[in-house]
Amino acid sequence: NAGVTQTPKFQVLKTGQSMTLQCAQDMNHNSMYWYRQDPGMGLRLIYYSASEGTTDKGEVPNGYNVSRLNKREFSLRLESAAPSQTSVYFCASSDGLAYQETQYFGPGTRLLVL
Amino acid sequence: GESVGLHLPTLSVQEGDNSIINCAYSNSASDYFIWYKQESGKGPQFIIDIRSNMDKRQGQRVTVLLNKTVKHLSLQIAATQPGDSAVYFCAENAGGTSYGKLTFGQGTILTVHP
Repeated sequence: NAGVTQTPKFQVLKTGQSMTLQCAQDMNHNSMYWYRQDPGMGLRLIYYSASEGTTDKGEVPNGYNVSRLNKREFSLRLESAAPSQTSVYFCASSDGLAYQETQYFGPGTRLLVL
Repeated sequence: GESVGLHLPTLSVQEGDNSIINCAYSNSASDYFIWYKQESGKGPQFIIDIRSNMDKRQGQRVTVLLNKTVKHLSLQIAATQPGDSAVYFCAENAGGTSYGKLTFGQGTILTVHP
């Protein structure tokens, strides 16, 4: 049982390049989330998927798109990377059966945009 | 304790001491709170949660206190160990239309000296 896994662990992009961050969970969770974490700050929600087939914007969605590929996988895409998107990206998942529930996080993807 | 700003609050303690990490939240509608621990280079790890119908909850070596009157949350760690050194985040969920969405505090750096 690996929990939440993310790939890649590290990535360097040039401004304007695109990339997709991958996330998968093996806990049979319904809900999945993407956050970014900037130095000295807490996590901010980018997008989330309450259940397979649905996605919604979070606090900071601009410049990102997501795809809930199936129940296990939730990807985050940067179509045209900008230096302001340099951050650590975390994926999380939760049961999705009640709103008062714990989210479990992956190890993160460290992204540097030059 | 945590506050909005550019500098992360810090707490330094000696091994064996008790630690208290504080968090102020602003949304009076929040009814579910979680404490996470984040070690360097890793994703946030669940420590303990509490619902708004409680004012205290205990786990193994940790206690969370909730004071809804002043919108304050605290995490107490008993007999702090060097392995407790990490950044600690509180997170809140406002329920209702905020289904599944957590708002994270800035974080507090805990350093435990042997």
